[in-house]
Amino acid sequence: QVQLVESGGGLVKPGGSLRLSCAASGFDFSDYYFGWIRQPPGKGLEWLSIITTSGASIYYADSVRGRFTISRDNAKNSLYLQMNSLRAEDSAVYYCARVRGYCAGGNCYLDSWGQGTLVTVSS
Amino acid sequence: QSVLTQPPSVSGAPGQRVSISCTGSSSNIGSGYDVYWYQQLPGTAPKLLIFANTNRPLGVPDRFSGSRSGTSASLAVTGLQAEDEAYYYCQSYDNSPRSWVFGGGTKLTVL
Repeated sequence: QVQLVESGGGLVKPGGSLRLSCAASGFDFSDYYFGWIRQPPGKGLEWLSIITTSGASIYYADSVRGRFTISRDNAKNSLYLQMNSLRAEDSAVYYCARVRGYCAGGNCYLDSWGQGTLVTVSS
Repeated sequence: QSVLTQPPSVSGAPGQRVSISCTGSSSNIGSGYDVYWYQQLPGTAPKLLIFANTNRPLGVPDRFSGSRSGTSASLAVTGLQAEDEAYYYCQSYDNSPRSWVFGGGTKLTVL
């Protein structure tokens, strides 16, 4: 079955960096787009980034563009999120998710989610 | 402030029907972009409930149904069960600015 497992979260100081990983199994990783979504404690969901199958096209939300970098390694069935210049407001549970639909037309969605990894930005 | 507006909470007794609204605008739902719904049980990751406005993934009970009209969408839950108590989020695309967006979420309480 489809499985996504995030890792790499933790406590980091403001201005610091962290790299999240997402290991996928149970399907052909290279056939799908993937995304990162976050959820601050007690709050709603925010879509952060999408990467296409080859990594040639990438989307970022304004809130993280220039600070976060999404990437993937199809040989390792893995998705990554490099987070730099972290701020207190970046504290959240970060989810990786498999993307379905036609993203170029706007109509894409998240059909499988990982369990999430908690990032806390605090001094 | 979310681009898609949902009521913070709804409630119903077991066996009843409840509806959760998702109100958008001409730059998202009103432009014809599809609406998706996710269910988030306490302490777990969100799960896809409805895709492309009205479609249920395999394994989702037919007690859950979605609809879209104009600049809004709705999720209906019939025959409420205790296990339906969760947060529900709508999602669509907004073309100004170009981004995928979620509603603020609605907590469904089964009385």
